[in-house]
Amino acid sequence: DARVTQTPRHKVTEMGQEVTMRCQPILGHNTVFWYRQTMMQGLELLAYFRNRAPLDDSGMPKDRFSAEMPDATLATLKIQPSEPRDSAVYFCASGLAGQTDQPQHFGDGTRLSIL
Amino acid sequence: AQSVAQPEDQVNVAEGNPLTVKCTYSVSGNPYLFWYVQYPNRGLQFLLKYITGDNLVKGSYGFEAEFNKSQTSFHLKKPSALVSDSALYFCAVRGRKESNDYKLSFGAGTTVTVRA
Repeated sequence: DARVTQTPRHKVTEMGQEVTMRCQPILGHNTVFWYRQTMMQGLELLAYFRNRAPLDDSGMPKDRFSAEMPDATLATLKIQPSEPRDSAVYFCASGLAGQTDQPQHFGDGTRLSIL
Repeated sequence: AQSVAQPEDQVNVAEGNPLTVKCTYSVSGNPYLFWYVQYPNRGLQFLLKYITGDNLVKGSYGFEAEFNKSQTSFHLKKPSALVSDSALYFCAVRGRKESNDYKLSFGAGTTVTVRA
């Protein structure tokens, strides 16, 4: 079964540190999404890419968050500097644009704790 | 704009009883509708979808969902719930007019607890 792979699964760090989360989309998928899940806000879309180009990052705090796709097999989400309010579970999902009746496929997330 | 409402934060049922998780949607034009399930410490897993055709859609793990255009609803159902169905369930919608965008709008989620 093809899967979206996210690393690390867990990250605990101190406020002010840089955090990098990685995602390997399903091979052949050309659209990648980053979501954040918290108890208070639920599931929020932070950013998404198509063919490695950012299409929408309006959900992302621009001053500290950045998202990139260095190549088709890797998407990264960085937080610098991190703050306690960034503590959440971050999910990556991938899909194939053009097949709009198909679901997005989610990874198992990175659980981030900022102390 | 597209949106989804899941009116119940929690649903509690006894094992063996029918399970229903409610979802209503709002889109321009016809919708693509999806249900996902999330188990603890896992990502969202696709359960089923409605694209076109039969209003009753069958999916994984014995779940089904009924599309009702007049009521703009897409309720998830299972005739006989299992303890292992206890999880967080999300409804999602994508409008066909927004299909080039490929973004999904998710509901807030409904926590299902099935007691033995």
